[in-house]
Amino acid sequence: DAGVTQSPTHLIKTRGQHVTLRCSPISGHKSVSWYQQVLGQGPQFIFQYYEKEERGRGNFPDRFSARQFPNYSSELNVNALLLGDSALYLCASQREWEGSAEAFFGQGTRLTVV
Amino acid sequence: AQSVTQLGSHVSVSEGALVLLRCNYSSSVPPYLFWYVQYPNQGLQLLLKYTSAATLVKGINGFEAEFKKSETSFHLTKPSAHMSDAAEYFCAVSDTGGFKTIFGAGTRLFVKA
Repeated sequence: DAGVTQSPTHLIKTRGQHVTLRCSPISGHKSVSWYQQVLGQGPQFIFQYYEKEERGRGNFPDRFSARQFPNYSSELNVNALLLGDSALYLCASQREWEGSAEAFFGQGTRLTVV
Repeated sequence: AQSVTQLGSHVSVSEGALVLLRCNYSSSVPPYLFWYVQYPNQGLQLLLKYTSAATLVKGINGFEAEFKKSETSFHLTKPSAHMSDAAEYFCAVSDTGGFKTIFGAGTRLFVKA
């Protein structure tokens, strides 16, 4: 089975632009979470979706939004990009929506805002 | 609110020596605790997790961690370090609702030949 896949792997955007990051969870996994990892820091929770509904939101501005599709894939959207949005964005999938469920991570999308 | 503190942003050990990476957590409810490893330019991989079944948890690659409620700690150990263990290690805590997982800042492990 394929693991969690994220696209694109790298991209460069200009301040003020909009970006869409995509994630396909492991087959059979219904929960997708998004994390932002700034260089030298641990991942910071952005969103969790389960069965196409938002189940959790971290401390991020409204410029960040996400959605989950019927096939459980997910998109993370960031509007009005700032230099500080430069980071590795990680997607993780879990089989179920529970705290003990192991999260499987994709390799991430490296976003650079210039 | 839940939080995780990893003591030491960098740890250096010699090959064959004991590895000890420290993690303390705060949680108002019994938590789920995890250790993840991240190799350069890769995502995170689960090493082990504590879900209240046993206080001593064994994971992959010879790592283990002990849950100590009285000390609110979940330190990661490995008896003998290998060069391939060099990576970034993250301790994380999750609540029973599964709303989100909180990660520590990470500890980079260096292994000297």
